[in-house]
Amino acid sequence: GQNIDQPTEMTATEGAIVQINCTYQTSGFNGLFWYQQHAGEAPTFLSYNVLDGLEEKGRFSSFLSRSKGYSYLLLKELQMKDSASYLCAVLNSNYQLIWGAGTKLIIKP
Amino acid sequence: IAGITQAPTSQILAAGRRMTLRCTQDMRHNAMYWYRQDLGLGLRLIHYSNTAGTTGKGEVPDGYSVSRANTDDFPLTLASAVPSQTSVYFCASRRLAGAQDTQYFGPGTRLTVL
Repeated sequence: GQNIDQPTEMTATEGAIVQINCTYQTSGFNGLFWYQQHAGEAPTFLSYNVLDGLEEKGRFSSFLSRSKGYSYLLLKELQMKDSASYLCAVLNSNYQLIWGAGTKLIIKP
Repeated sequence: IAGITQAPTSQILAAGRRMTLRCTQDMRHNAMYWYRQDLGLGLRLIHYSNTAGTTGKGEVPDGYSVSRANTDDFPLTLASAVPSQTSVYFCASRRLAGAQDTQYFGPGTRLTVL
């Protein structure tokens, strides 16, 4: 089967750095997406990785290792508004998106 | 404003009733999707459409039907609602089904079946 694993919940302190991990096993790979979802809202796109390495976009960075089936989302200089769920999704060989259950990130002052 | 709209925003429905959730996008995207999101389970695909005139079944299609008469609209119908269909429903679209395109989501419909 296909599955995406992420921690259910993480807690971090305002101003700190947090890393949210995602491991995947899918039928083929055409890229990995990270989405942010605030409570009661729709998911919004954060990043896309298809090649190994680190993609940096402001305070957010996303890393991919295809050989390990592993990605992480790194959030720096955490702000209270970063409290949200972070969803990892893999595009498989049929260009179908396989979704993880999401990681709820709680930011404490 | 370009994007995806869904209606209604929320609905309380009696079991056994028929209900259609509406979804419209103005981005001229070919592919559209319906998901349900339940606590702890993440997003689960109900039905999809790679292009107007075609539809396919996702992970949890039972009890739901869709149609895609044109590019913009992708309604989801519950023929006879049951309490297990209580969920938040998201419509999404992507420019092309067979490409590495970002998927965009509508604001969601919160459905409660009593």
